[in-house]
Amino acid sequence: GQNIDQPTEMTATEGAIVQINCTYQTSGFNGLFWYQQHAGEAPTFLSYNVLDGLEEKGRFSSFLSRSKGYSYLLLKELQMKDSASYLCALSSGSARQLTFGSGTQLTVLP
Amino acid sequence: DGGITQSPKYLFRKEGQNVTLSCEQNLNHDAMYWYRQDPGQGLRLIYYSQIVNDFQKGDIAEGYSVSREKKESFPLTVTSAQKNPTAFYLCASSGTGFTGELFFGEGSRLTVL
Repeated sequence: GQNIDQPTEMTATEGAIVQINCTYQTSGFNGLFWYQQHAGEAPTFLSYNVLDGLEEKGRFSSFLSRSKGYSYLLLKELQMKDSASYLCALSSGSARQLTFGSGTQLTVLP
Repeated sequence: DGGITQSPKYLFRKEGQNVTLSCEQNLNHDAMYWYRQDPGQGLRLIYYSQIVNDFQKGDIAEGYSVSREKKESFPLTVTSAQKNPTAFYLCASSGTGFTGELFFGEGSRLTVL
């Protein structure tokens, strides 16, 4: 099976930088996803890591270390609209089905 | 516009009743998935299908059933055997691109009275 851990809640200030960590235990996976989910809405894709290292995409970056079982999502220049839940997910199997962590609820304060 | 359409958005059901949630996609994706989300929790996989007329159980399939008669459609039935069906249900699909990124519908919120 797979086990994914994320902090339940985080708070940060508008304009700041925040790092959301994700640790996992698994026997194997294809890649690691980060999704953003606003309350009552569907998740939207943020980033995907298959190799170790940093993937940058505008204000969002994601890092993966397979040897350490660790990933993080870095959000820069925080905006109020970034207040949402951030879900870490592992892709595995021939159908590349995703197993999600419980999510980190980020609150951005003015 | 291509996308995934779920209906109904809100649904109320009495205990003991079956209910079917619709999911239609026009993205020409082969794979489709159903997830359940409870308050403050992540998504859990109920069923998934990689091709027409074939589907597999996910982590929490008990009390649910699906069919995949057409590539575009993957309806989920919540049966009376599901002990705690009140939840937010999300349908998703993925293509054959490098990432296999999931595209989600807007969700169906089921409340059992």
